[in-house]
Amino acid sequence: SQQGEEDPQALSIQEGENATMNCSYKTSINNLQWYRQNSGRGLVHLILIRSNEREKHSGRLRVTLDTSKKSSSLLITASRAADTASYFCATDAKGGSNYKLTFGKGTLLTVNP
Amino acid sequence: DAGVTQSPTHLIKTRGQQVTLRCSPKSGHDTVSWYQQALGQGPQFIFQYYEEEERQRGNFPDRFSGHQFPNYSSELNVNALLLGDSALYLCASSFIRFGGKLFFGSGTQLSVL
Repeated sequence: SQQGEEDPQALSIQEGENATMNCSYKTSINNLQWYRQNSGRGLVHLILIRSNEREKHSGRLRVTLDTSKKSSSLLITASRAADTASYFCATDAKGGSNYKLTFGKGTLLTVNP
Repeated sequence: DAGVTQSPTHLIKTRGQQVTLRCSPKSGHDTVSWYQQALGQGPQFIFQYYEEEERQRGNFPDRFSGHQFPNYSSELNVNALLLGDSALYLCASSFIRFGGKLFFGSGTQLSVL
């Protein structure tokens, strides 16, 4: 079953705009990660945030985590056409394996030139 | 430095057949996980291998089995193929001490006719 649920399912923006994607999950977690997937091929790790962290930055990415609401958001600033991809959040359950990730269905981001 | 490599890239089988997919982890990595991604869905965890043993297993039937070799490479075997097994199969590797952050291969697209 899918624990994470991304919102929106699809997002279309212009180059230079910011893109925000949200993720909700159901059970307590150790970590939450965001991955990017281009054209249905391999996933690329973007950022990992631990359950005791509230915000993390990496380049143009900003991730927030609210464990009380069981939700996370991914913000991509100053988007580029190359950011066009599907974005997935993935969680590992508290007390479980770091390698047994539960993914959502993803947000398809389209950045128009 | 080669990343995670998977073979073959594409595969077509018929119902009832058996298939073996192969994965070589990124250099220096010692743990391999396998995921199944159906069209339009997020990846689902099949199992994880470390030190040549299956350490974690997702909600997949016994038709799905695997193996890890002393050089850390891995195979995924699926017996008695069903139409519903058609999917992208992703291999991910990591170094056990890093925990959680996965490096994915480009996947094997399996079509069952």
